[in-house]
Amino acid sequence: AAGVIQSPRHLIKEKRETATLKCYPIPRHDTVYWYQQGPGQDPQFLISFYEKMQSDKGSIPDRFSAQQFSDYHSELNMSSLELGDSALYFCASSPPSGTAAYGYTFGSGTRLTVV
Amino acid sequence: AQKITQTQPGMFVQEKEAVTLDCTYDTSDQSYGLFWYKQPSSGEMIFLIYQGSYDEQNATEGRYSLNFQKARKSANLVISASQLGDSAMYFCAMREALYIIQGAQKLVFGQGTRLTINP
Repeated sequence: AAGVIQSPRHLIKEKRETATLKCYPIPRHDTVYWYQQGPGQDPQFLISFYEKMQSDKGSIPDRFSAQQFSDYHSELNMSSLELGDSALYFCASSPPSGTAAYGYTFGSGTRLTVV
Repeated sequence: AQKITQTQPGMFVQEKEAVTLDCTYDTSDQSYGLFWYKQPSSGEMIFLIYQGSYDEQNATEGRYSLNFQKARKSANLVISASQLGDSAMYFCAMREALYIIQGAQKLVFGQGTRLTINP
């Protein structure tokens, strides 16, 4: 079965650079969630999109932006990178509203290292 | 506001023993879902088990069961007959809704418990 695809798997950037993380949800999943997991930390919710519109917003820095495209894939854009942005970034997708109690499928994550 | 508490930062268990990972939660909602995820050292987040707040029976999935005590607001994960491959980080998480509706129901995670299975 198709899973949630995240690219790249690993990314190394220097301070003040920009990074773009991509997430391709499971086919027919209409919602995407982004989470940030720092070293030794629990995942923190950043932002979510439903039908290409932002549906919820968490602790996402102003330097970050995200969007969901017409094919439902999503991109997380991160500018002016800081050392503290080094983390594992997860994307999760969920099927159309109310169709499943479980709902979430996580990608394998993008490990971002800022040097 | 939601809150998930996992009070065991680390646990060490002998292979083949049963292990219970604790999770307590705080919500004023009546409808919510509770999840457990496993995160091995490779980093992926693997779904283990789900319990809805109105489910009267404890959820079970193979060697995993969820000891749901609603009045105490606890949702402990029980792993029977532990295996070396169970060594990983385990996260309890909650969604303040039974179903996802229009993408507004995020998961909130606890701090995690690192489980180590000794041979």
